[in-house]
Amino acid sequence: GNSVTQMEGPVTLSEEAFLTINCTYTATGYPSLFWYVQYPGEGLQLLLKATKADDKGSNKGFEATYRKETTSFHLEKGSVQVSDSAVYFCALSDQYGGANSKLTFGKGITLSVRP
Amino acid sequence: GAGVSQSPSNKVTEKGKDVELRCDPISGHTALYWYRQSLGQGLEFLIYFQGNSAPDKSGLPSDRFSAERTGGSVSTLTIQRTQQEDSAVYLCASSSGQTQETQYFGPGTRLLVL
Repeated sequence: GNSVTQMEGPVTLSEEAFLTINCTYTATGYPSLFWYVQYPGEGLQLLLKATKADDKGSNKGFEATYRKETTSFHLEKGSVQVSDSAVYFCALSDQYGGANSKLTFGKGITLSVRP
Repeated sequence: GAGVSQSPSNKVTEKGKDVELRCDPISGHTALYWYRQSLGQGLEFLIYFQGNSAPDKSGLPSDRFSAERTGGSVSTLTIQRTQQEDSAVYLCASSSGQTQETQYFGPGTRLLVL
């Protein structure tokens, strides 16, 4: 079955530090890959996505590249801000599910950014 | 336009009672998903509805869980004879129904079973 593995957390960084959150996956076929973010007291929001190999998703200064050869979708940001403090989830949906693109999530990682 | 809404936002119940959780998807979205977010299990898929097709119930953890979607819009997730391990945040998401289309999540219902 499908699975998503995220690095263990929590992660604490100082403002303007470089961020990498690792994500690897196991899936049949050619899944789409997502990063979702959950800010304190808010619901899950899509941060970025990539639907095929070598695609790069980007939003709000965050980037992730779909690497089929390493089955990875690592999230990066060059300079984090306090407002980036949140829980980050890596997820995939299985293309072979047809229209049912149910998401398989990683366990999530909490990021705290200090001023 | 309005996003996905869920009610109630919080629910406290006693073990053995039944609960109903409601989801209003984004208008025009034909696909609707329920997920559960718990400390031990992370985010898990529960059930999926698409138009008039039979729902995909493959993620429901037991026969105490059921869901309906009336008129292709509002959905209700029902948990019968609640147990303490049912305590979690129940999330609803909707999408346009096209393959790989982005899912938009509601704020969730936080369920606590005492």
